[in-house]
Formats: sequence, structure tokens, C-alpha cells
Amino acid sequence: EVQLVESGGGLIQPGGSLRLSCAASGFTVSSNYMSWVRQAPGKGLEWVSVIYSGGSTYYADSVKGRFTISRDNSKNTLYLQMNSLRAEDTAVYYCARGQDTGYSAYYFDYWGQGTLVTVSS
Amino acid sequence: DIQMTQSPSSLSASVGDRVTITCRASQGISNSLAWYQQKPGKAPKLLLYAASRLESGVPSRFSGSGSGTDYTLTISSLQPEDFATYYCQQYYSTPPATFGQGTKLEIK
Repeated sequence: EVQLVESGGGLIQPGGSLRLSCAASGFTVSSNYMSWVRQAPGKGLEWVSVIYSGGSTYYADSVKGRFTISRDNSKNTLYLQMNSLRAEDTAVYYCARGQDTGYSAYYFDYWGQGTLVTVSS
Repeated sequence: DIQMTQSPSSLSASVGDRVTITCRASQGISNSLAWYQQKPGKAPKLLLYAASRLESGVPSRFSGSGSGTDYTLTISSLQPEDFATYYCQQYYSTPPATFGQGTKLEIK
């Protein structure tokens, strides 16, 4: 059974850093496209970042230069390092598995339960 | 980036009703469209992909159609558990994967 379990969220001051983790089971993280998607309170879904099976990474313009996606193959875990956090980064962060449809295109077939990040002084 | 626009933003309906939600892309996406259902406090759940293909385990009352820039999600006979927020997502051009703004389906 595929499972994704996020952790690492919490309350952090503006300008601070936080690292989110997403522990996967039932499949191999390194063989799949893995993404982070966030949802601000009362708002819609916003894609944040992806790491492809080959290791290429991409980011939304809103987080580029501040966030870093990575994975630990030995732990079958996905990470999101978030630096220089802003109030507008406040959201529930979901990790999601991307289903490869070819040409690096993907939709999300499995999601974690999410972890809340609150950026506030 | 491809922009996705859903309509309506909210919708009130009754159990047993037939409901249609529309998603329009800012350019043609060749059926590279997924639909998700999200209930309060829960993660999104994949319903359909490739515009009309039902994800395993999803009830057959959900269906999708469309082409080019315009797509629809139809629920043939609303059940109490269907009241939720629905999102479309294009994957014709990723990254970025872009979502519609959501359609909240409420009980009338």
C-alpha cells in the first residue's frame, strides 16, 4: 500500500528556516516524480516543487532561490528545505507522487496528509 | 504558464442532482487534465486523469469530458459524500503543474 507521511511543520518566524520531510512506503521515491504542493488557509492548491526520477528539480517562481527539494534514497524520504520564510508561505504542505505520463508531464496519484507551516512573529 | 479557470466557484445542489463543473485552460492541453476531490481537512484525492479516465476505486457516477481548452467534470447523481471542493489540474506543460481555483460543492 502506498503511503506518504509528512512531518516537520510548525510555527516559525519570518526569515527563519524549516525542513519538511515526507516518508514514503509502498513504492520507491527515487523511481518516481515527487512534488510538494501547498495550500494557504482557505485557498486553492499551489504547486511548489518537483524532483524527477533522474534528479532534475524545478520550483515555482514564488519559492525559487529560497526552497530546495531533495530526497534520501536510503530512507525513501523526500524533503523540502525552506529558507527565508515569509508570511505568504503559511500553508499546509503536501507531498505528492507524480504519475509520469511521458514528456516529464505528471498528475498526482497519491498525496500525504499534509503538514502545516505557519510563518508569523 | 498555462492558466486554469474553473466555473462556477461554488455550487449548491441536492442529493440526486446531476452536476457539471467546467475547467478552461488558457491554451489547448490535449486532454492532459486531472480532477481532484478535496474534503475539509483532508488531502486531495485523484478522481480522473486524461480528462475522462476514472481512477481505480472512484465511483462511476463521476465522469469527465472535453477537448482543446474546455473540460467538464460531471457527477451524475450526487451522493452525500460528494459534497466537497473539486480542482482541475493541467499536465500538458509541466512544470509548473497548474490547478484551477476550485469549485466548492455545497448542499442545497
